[in-house]
Amino acid sequence: DSGVTQTPKHLITATGQRVTLRCSPRSGDLSVYWYQQSLDQGLQFLIQYYNGEERAKGNILERFSAQQFPDLHSELNLSSLELGDSALYFCASSVPGTRGGEQFFGPGTRLTVL
Amino acid sequence: QQQVKQSPQSLIVQKGGIPIINCAYENTAFDYFPWYQQFPGKGPALLIAIRPDVSEKKEGRFTISFNKSAKQFSLHIMDSQPGDSATYFCAASMSGGATNKLIFGTGTLLAVQP
Repeated sequence: DSGVTQTPKHLITATGQRVTLRCSPRSGDLSVYWYQQSLDQGLQFLIQYYNGEERAKGNILERFSAQQFPDLHSELNLSSLELGDSALYFCASSVPGTRGGEQFFGPGTRLTVL
Repeated sequence: QQQVKQSPQSLIVQKGGIPIINCAYENTAFDYFPWYQQFPGKGPALLIAIRPDVSEKKEGRFTISFNKSAKQFSLHIMDSQPGDSATYFCAASMSGGATNKLIFGTGTLLAVQP
């Protein structure tokens, strides 16, 4: 158990809908990262937050957004869902001041868009 | 230049064998190279990591070899066991920039036969 929690574990929805994925980092970790894992794209970095502020963006679609709250949990919002958004979404967190990318991943949310 | 190339895509070894997974990168600004292990339905778990100032690192049965001049690194699993059957991902990140997001390789599916 990495200490990173994600809810829900599974999510099934229809095209055009909007969903919210939630992540709680390990106690004391200030950075939260979101990654998408799909069969054709592999593990791709989406976005990073550090202590409530956006730190970096990767291959994140404009239909997707995220935020990190004062208690450091983060939410990833996916809207106008398309079939191709079906994937595993992982959240990771890292300790403050970690030199390099020592990140600990949650169990993921499996999103299925029908 | 942000890519990390990983090979082979899949690997089958007998119990006790030494599977070797290779990765190559282009961006010399990368300075942290972790390996992650992922079981079906689980999130990636940090296995072992190396920085460019050393050429080899061992943790238990897992060894990373690093060749800075060739911009390559590899994972060796000594005395492999059926329980090591999983997907392995190499990754790279930069500690000096605004983000230490992980750039992942495409993964290697390892099967250790009893």
